[in-house]
Amino acid sequence: SQQGEEDPQALSIQEGENATMNCSYKTSINNLQWYRQNSGRGLVHLILIRSNEREKHSGRLRVTLDTSKKSSSLLITASRAADTASYFCATGLIQGAQKLVFGQGTRLTINP
Amino acid sequence: ETGVTQSPTHLIKTRGQQVTLRCSSQSGHNTVSWYQQALGQGPQFIFQYYREEENGRGNFPPRFSGLQFPNYSSELNVNALELDDSALYLCASSPPGGGRETQYFGPGTRLLVL
Repeated sequence: SQQGEEDPQALSIQEGENATMNCSYKTSINNLQWYRQNSGRGLVHLILIRSNEREKHSGRLRVTLDTSKKSSSLLITASRAADTASYFCATGLIQGAQKLVFGQGTRLTINP
Repeated sequence: ETGVTQSPTHLIKTRGQQVTLRCSSQSGHNTVSWYQQALGQGPQFIFQYYREEENGRGNFPPRFSGLQFPNYSSELNVNALELDDSALYLCASSPPGGGRETQYFGPGTRLLVL
């Protein structure tokens, strides 16, 4: 079963605009990660935020985490056509295994 | 540095058959996880191997089994294939120590069961 829900399920914006995707989850976590997937192939790790962190930046990416609301957001600034992909949040809980539980993803389309 | 590789890239099987998928972990990574991704869905955790032992398992039946070898490569075996097993199977490896929170994914094997 999926842990989280991503919102929106699909997002279409113009190149140069900012894109914001949200993720909600249900259980306790050690960390939350965002991945990108192009055309149904392998996932590329974008950023990890730990449960004791509130905000993290990496290049054009900004991730926030609110553990009291069990939610996270991913902001991509100054979007480019190459950012067109599906974006997934995944919650990580280390109980022996480091198991990632993924949401259903947001399909982002950047229009030139 | 070579990333995670998987073989084959595509596979077609018929219901009831058995399949073996292979994964080579990234250099220096000793933990391998397998995920199943149905069309339009997020990946679902199948199991994880660490030092050749199963280290955790998701909600998948016993006909899904795996192995990890001394060089940390891994196999996923699925017996008695069902139509619903059609999916993209993703392998991910993690480094030892504090970096193990992050998983690095291979390109996947797309399995079609007819």
